[in-house]
Amino acid sequence: NAGVTQTPKFQVLKTGQSMTLQCAQDMNHEYMSWYRQDPGMGLRLIHYSVGAGITDQGEVPNGYNVSRSTTEDFPLRLLSAAPSQTSVYFCASSKTGTGQYEQYFGPGTRLTVT
Amino acid sequence: GENVEQHPSTLSVQEGDSAVIKCTYSDSASNYFPWYKQELGKRPQLIIDIRSNVGEKKDQRIAVTLNKTAKHFSLHITETQPEDSAVYFCAARGGRGGSNYKLTFGKGTLLTVNP
Repeated sequence: NAGVTQTPKFQVLKTGQSMTLQCAQDMNHEYMSWYRQDPGMGLRLIHYSVGAGITDQGEVPNGYNVSRSTTEDFPLRLLSAAPSQTSVYFCASSKTGTGQYEQYFGPGTRLTVT
Repeated sequence: GENVEQHPSTLSVQEGDSAVIKCTYSDSASNYFPWYKQELGKRPQLIIDIRSNVGEKKDQRIAVTLNKTAKHFSLHITETQPEDSAVYFCAARGGRGGSNYKLTFGKGTLLTVNP
């Protein structure tokens, strides 16, 4: 199993550009989520999904869109990049059954917006 | 929503000493409390977790305790080694409705183990 994969590893955008961060998992996990990590702020939840066709907002959703058309993929779209979106982005997934708790993280995408 | 506070933000210990990191949470319905270790430039990785029906769990040099009444939980690392140096995050998972798989994280503790 590859686990949780993310592409790209690094990205530099100009203000106003749009892009999609890719996330995929091959563990048949129902729950997937996106976090951003900023120095001293921990991991903050952007959006999450409990299954294909179902998404919801987390703590810091503004400026980001998500969709979940398959169990495996959960892309994060930046509509019009801003310098405040410079961050490291992590995708994570877990099962949702009773006793299935561990969230697995992808390797992260380091995004810089100039 | 859930709020998780973590202390201290930095912790420096001598090799062989113990380290303790403490977290509090606000939602009494939270039922799962993991701890993640993140080395520089790497992804967070689960090191130990505890569920709300358990008061303590131990795995070799690492232990976690949970006090549901006080809504706090702690990570204990004994006989620290330089390779324990990393950022540690606590988290709480909510127990309410459709959002009960969400993890809310503390802001992290930078642990430095000095040889």
